[in-house]
Amino acid sequence: AQKITQTQPGMFVQEKEAVTLDCTYDTSDPSYGLFWYKQPSSGEMIFLIYQGSYDQQNATEGRYSLNFQKARKSANLVISASQLGDSAMYFCAMRGLSSNTGKLIFGQGTTLQVKP
Amino acid sequence: ETGVTQSPTHLIKTRGQQVTLRCSSQSGHNTVSWYQQALGQGPQFIFQYYREEENGRGNFPPRFSGLQFPNYSSELNVNALELDDSALYLCASSDPGTSTDTQYFGPGTRLTVL
Repeated sequence: AQKITQTQPGMFVQEKEAVTLDCTYDTSDPSYGLFWYKQPSSGEMIFLIYQGSYDQQNATEGRYSLNFQKARKSANLVISASQLGDSAMYFCAMRGLSSNTGKLIFGQGTTLQVKP
Repeated sequence: ETGVTQSPTHLIKTRGQQVTLRCSSQSGHNTVSWYQQALGQGPQFIFQYYREEENGRGNFPPRFSGLQFPNYSSELNVNALELDDSALYLCASSDPGTSTDTQYFGPGTRLTVL
């Protein structure tokens, strides 16, 4: 079975500082993709960053980077230079690539609040 | 490029009724996935449609059904509504031909069952 665990229900960060949101995963699939999404209070799920299990480099997208440690089965999201607009719920998700269902497994999410 | 759209935005139904939710996929995407997100939880996969065929289903009863049309838009139908069906329903579209097959989500439909 596949599972995503996000152990931080809520996080605070000062504006302009960096913050790390934790994500660990469990899967028996040898090939998988890991995703991070941002969900503001409006409800829309916004794609942030992707990491493939065979990617040699950690993914980066602007202020977002993914600290991927395959042996530890962790895929932590790092947000640099936090902005007030970063306040939202953040979800880590995984999809096994061996099957073709496209099913995403989500964690419980972490609420991030950026303080001015 | 038009993103994923969903309608209606909000819906209130009573127990036992039926509901249809609609989703238009992003331009160039031929796959649509539906998710249910209860308050304070992560989204749960309902099913996925690829080229008008169901391509995987989560742990949801048969009263949750769907369709995909030739233009790749999709409907989610829920019969015999129960109170626990109250949730945010999210639709996502994707293109399996891309290297990451990333799912892009719409704004969701918030369903309340009384």
